[in-house]
Amino acid sequence: DVVLTQSPLSLPVTLGQPASISCRSSQSLVYSDGITYLTWFQQRPGQSPRRLIYKVSNRDSGVPDRFSGSGSGTDFTLKISRVEAEDVGVYYCMQGTRWPLTFGQGTRLEIK
Amino acid sequence: EVQLLESGGGLVQPGGSLRLSCVASGFTFTNYAMGWVRQAPGKGLEWVSDISGSGGNTYYADSVKGRFTISRDNSKNTLYLQMNSLRVEDTAVYYCAKEAGSGSYGHLDYWGQGTLVTVSS
Repeated sequence: DVVLTQSPLSLPVTLGQPASISCRSSQSLVYSDGITYLTWFQQRPGQSPRRLIYKVSNRDSGVPDRFSGSGSGTDFTLKISRVEAEDVGVYYCMQGTRWPLTFGQGTRLEIK
Repeated sequence: EVQLLESGGGLVQPGGSLRLSCVASGFTFTNYAMGWVRQAPGKGLEWVSDISGSGGNTYYADSVKGRFTISRDNSKNTLYLQMNSLRVEDTAVYYCAKEAGSGSYGHLDYWGQGTLVTVSS
C-alpha cells in the first residue's frame, strides 16, 4: 500500500502568518495517464471533511486563494499564505493513484 | 446543490450486522462512482470501499474485504454498505462521498455528514 507521511502532525500558527504542511509518499503518485492524484482535505472541528485541493494544485470552488498546493512525484505541500481563525482543524492528504486509496495521518492546525 | 445523507448507524454487538444507506441528490447519481470512508473516534480517515457508477466494479480495503459489501440502487439514488461480522475496531463515523466520474476514483469531492457505528457488547 502507498504510505503517506505528513509533517508536522501539530502546527501552531499565529493569525496572519503562513503555514505549510508536507505530505510524502512511499511511491510515485504519477498515474499511467500522467496525472498525479494527490488531494488535500480540511476537517474543521465537528464537521465532515471538505476537499480543498485536487490533482496536486487545483483549488476547489469556494476555497480561498490563500490555500495552494504544490509538488510532484512523492513530495507534496499544502500552503496557507495567511492563516485565519476559520482555518483551525485537521488537514489530510490522500492519494488516488493506486488501490487502496490511502490518507496521511493528518496535521492539526491551531492558532498560537 | 450536492447533498449526501447517511443513515443506518447505531449500536451493534460484535459479530452482528448493520446496513448503512446514503441518499444522494443534486447530481445525476448513476454518472458518478461513490465511496465510503470511516473515522474511528479521535482518529484519522480510512478509506473503506468504492463502487463504479453502474455498480459493476467494487473495491475494498483489506480490513473489510469479505465482511462488507458496497452496492447501489441507481433508481433510488442510494448507496449502501452492508456490514457483517462486525468487530470492535469497526467502530467509527462512516461517511459516504461522491467521486468525480463514473469510473473515476480517489477524488471524493463531496461528503455526507456521517453516521456513527458503535460495535460493543
